Amino acid sequence: GAGVSQSPSNKVTEKGKDVELRCDPISGHTALYWYRQSLGQGLEFLIYFQGNSAPDKSGLPSDRFSAERTGGSVSTLTIQRTQQEDSAVYLCASSTWSNQPQHFGDGTRLSIL
Amino acid sequence: SQQGEEDPQALSIQEGENATMNCSYKTSINNLQWYRQNSGRGLVHLILIRSNEREKHSGRLRVTLDTSKKSSSLLITASRAADTASYFCATPPADKLIFGTGTRLQVFP
Repeated sequence: GAGVSQSPSNKVTEKGKDVELRCDPISGHTALYWYRQSLGQGLEFLIYFQGNSAPDKSGLPSDRFSAERTGGSVSTLTIQRTQQEDSAVYLCASSTWSNQPQHFGDGTRLSIL
Repeated sequence: SQQGEEDPQALSIQEGENATMNCSYKTSINNLQWYRQNSGRGLVHLILIRSNEREKHSGRLRVTLDTSKKSSSLLITASRAADTASYFCATPPADKLIFGTGTRLQVFP
C-alpha cells in the first residue's frame, strides 16, 4: 500500500532484552517522526528526522533509546535493555516536510514482561 | 510541557448531536492541525488551519482559530457513531508537531 507501514504490529519481550521497531514511510516524504503513546494517553514525541539534517533527538527518554534512518527512507527505533515502563504503542509518522500534515502507521504495541 | 491541551478530556453525545472540542496552545504558530485516532489505529489528519485563517470547513467539520487567545475549536456537526474516536490538536512551535492530550468522543447510536 501507499501508507506508512510499521512492523511488527505487536511485540512481546522479556525485560532486559533489546528490541527493534521498523517504519517504512511514504515514498518521497522527507520528514519522519517517532512517538510513544501509553494506554489512553496523548503522544510523546521521541525523535524527528528531516532530510539529511541531524535528527532531533530531544524527546528520547534515555540513552537506551536510539533511532536510525537509512537512505532517507526506512527507520529503525531500537530500545536496549528494555524495562517494563517501555511498554507502550510506538507510532511512526511521515510528512512531505516539517510542519505539514503527518501520515501515521498503525503502530507497534510493545509489551515488556 | 504540552504545547496543546484539549478540552474536554471526554465527551459523550447522541447520534445527530453536534460535538465541540477545544484546544489551547502556548507559543506562536503558523498553523494548527486536528487529527482523529480510532481505537488501536494510528492518527489520521483531518484539517489544517493557517495562522491567518479564522475558520475552515471540511464536510461536517468546522475549525476555528483565535490566535489572540491561542485557542482553536473543532465542531463536528450531525455526529455519527463512526465519529467515536479520540481527537487531537497539534501545533508546530518549531519544525515538528507537538500534540495535545486529546478528547475522547463517544457517540451513542
